Amino acid sequence: QKEVEQDPGPLSVPEGAIVSLNCTYSNSAFQYFMWYRQYSRKGPELLMYTYSSGNKEDGRFTAQVDKSSKYISLFIRDSQPSDSATYLCAMSGGAQKLVFGQGTRLTINP
Amino acid sequence: GAVVSQHPSWVICKSGTSVKIECRSLDFQATTMFWYRQFPKQSLMLMATSNEGSKATYEQGVEKDKFLINHASLTLSTLTVTSAHPEDSSFYICSARTLSSYNEQFFGPGTRLTVL
Repeated sequence: QKEVEQDPGPLSVPEGAIVSLNCTYSNSAFQYFMWYRQYSRKGPELLMYTYSSGNKEDGRFTAQVDKSSKYISLFIRDSQPSDSATYLCAMSGGAQKLVFGQGTRLTINP
Repeated sequence: GAVVSQHPSWVICKSGTSVKIECRSLDFQATTMFWYRQFPKQSLMLMATSNEGSKATYEQGVEKDKFLINHASLTLSTLTVTSAHPEDSSFYICSARTLSSYNEQFFGPGTRLTVL
């Protein structure tokens, strides 16, 4: 079993829809949770960074962490075609290494 | 802020040759840099962790004699793929961690290596 599980998709939604992306994990030592966006042939871009449980909002993006269920989510409101990318969850337990999910390929259709 | 650059962005080389990839933190000092490789439609796989002034720590299964990492300054790390073979063709991405952001990593744009 992988430490971090993420549905690779692909996920295709119409423009303006609310997108929900999720990851589950097995290591209860994880404390830091991140979401990265990666466009094709580009490096990942940090979108959201959350410590421990709770919600964090930044513009159209909301990150949620439920440590009791070992489940994290990223919500995108009013999705735009420019949001089409691969979204990677990543987490760590305070050590230096990040553990990444497989990434979910998202397409927003105009 | 927190910009990381990589050079070159893509490279094609012949089998048996060596290729050097540079990773620079442009507007901050990076005590730690990380090197990843990514195959098509797959996630990032950590190859090694590099701390300035010390030897890199390699992940299990990564040949340290094949993937030479140097981190000579707080703004520059290099990855040299020695005696490259076609199976080394991949997307190589570096990231850097700032002094103040313990767990945040900022990624470079990646280098696409094709070995013929």
